[in-house]
Amino acid sequence: RKEVEQDPGPFNVPEGATVAFNCTYSNSASQSFFWYRQDCRKEPKLLMSVYSSGNEDGRFTAQLNRASQYISLLIRDSKLSDSATYLCVASGGSYIPTFGRGTSLIVHP
Amino acid sequence: GAVVSQHPSRVICKSGTSVKIECRSLDFQATTMFWYRQFPKQSLMLMATSNEGSKATYEQGVEKDKFLINHASLTLSTLTVTSAHPEDSSFYICSARVLAGIETQYFGPGTRLLVL
Repeated sequence: RKEVEQDPGPFNVPEGATVAFNCTYSNSASQSFFWYRQDCRKEPKLLMSVYSSGNEDGRFTAQLNRASQYISLLIRDSKLSDSATYLCVASGGSYIPTFGRGTSLIVHP
Repeated sequence: GAVVSQHPSRVICKSGTSVKIECRSLDFQATTMFWYRQFPKQSLMLMATSNEGSKATYEQGVEKDKFLINHASLTLSTLTVTSAHPEDSSFYICSARVLAGIETQYFGPGTRLLVL
């Protein structure tokens, strides 16, 4: 079983839609969680950290559920420019990051 | 956010040659950098953790004699792919660990290697 699992998608949604991704992690010792965005043939860019209390940044909301060992990312009012692959990351105390395979999002007009 | 540069961005080489990739933290010091490899439509795979002033820690299955890592200063780590073969063709990305409240990492733009 992979340490960090994501549904690869693609999620195909119209502009303005709300879309949510989940990511599960197997290492209960994981302490830090992040969502990265990766555009085709580019490096990953940090989208947001995921805190225990959840956090929101504009149209993006991230949640952490330690009991069920998953993190989520909610995107509201999707834009065409949101089309990308979204990677979730979990790391333990020694901070060796483990990436999920990524979830592909396609926002169409 | 913090800036990490990588050079070269793209390299084409003949089989059997060695290729050096540089990763620099531009406005901060990075005691730890990570090297990843990503094949098309695959996830980022951690190759090794580069620690300033000490030997790199390699992930299982990554040959340390083939992928030489040197982290000689707090702002520079290099990855040398020795005796490159076509199967080494990939997207190589470095990242630098940043401690600013919560730990995170920032990625370089990546190096696309094509071995003919």
